[in-house]
Amino acid sequence: QKEVEQDPGPLSVPEGAIVSLNCTYSNSAFQYFMWYRQYSRKGPELLMYTYSSGNKEDGRFTAQVDKSSKYISLFIRDSQPSDSATYLCAMSGTGGGNKLTFGTGTQLKVEL
Amino acid sequence: DVKVTQSSRYLVKRTGEKVFLECVQDMDHENMFWYRQDPGLGLRLIYFSYDVKMKEKGDIPEGYSVSREKKERFSLILESASTNQTSMYLCASRTGTGYSSYNEQFFGPGTRLTVL
Repeated sequence: QKEVEQDPGPLSVPEGAIVSLNCTYSNSAFQYFMWYRQYSRKGPELLMYTYSSGNKEDGRFTAQVDKSSKYISLFIRDSQPSDSATYLCAMSGTGGGNKLTFGTGTQLKVEL
Repeated sequence: DVKVTQSSRYLVKRTGEKVFLECVQDMDHENMFWYRQDPGLGLRLIYFSYDVKMKEKGDIPEGYSVSREKKERFSLILESASTNQTSMYLCASRTGTGYSSYNEQFFGPGTRLTVL
């Protein structure tokens, strides 16, 4: 079993829809939770970062962490065609070089 | 803006060749990383370095080595390329020193390597 599980999609939604992307994990030592966005033929870029449990909002994006369920989510409101990308969750613990463990990524397409 | 550059976007090599992938960052970051990205497997860490001349193995170091002679440059070396090393290779760098907790990594655009 992988340490981080993420549905690879692809996920196709109409413009304006609310998108929910999710990851589950098994390592209870993870404390830092990130979402990266990767456009085609580009490197990933950090979208959201959350420490421990709770919610964080940034414009149309909301990240949620539920450590008791080992479950994290990214919500995108009023989705736009420019949101079409692969979304990667990533997480790390403290110490040990803080290596990131990535999910496999979910491919999202927002259609006009 | 942080900039991480990789020497090639696309590279085609033959089995058995020695391959060098170069990565340069311009933000004086101490930490640098090499990943490979494969469909269905996500990003997997090959090697990382937290200081000049320092290196640590990641999750899949077999068949690879690295070199960090200068702070801004981190090289990935495939000693004898094999077809199962065909992949997208991503370099990243990170702020912070040592084992600091916050982990924003900045990625380069990637090198798509094909080994024939």
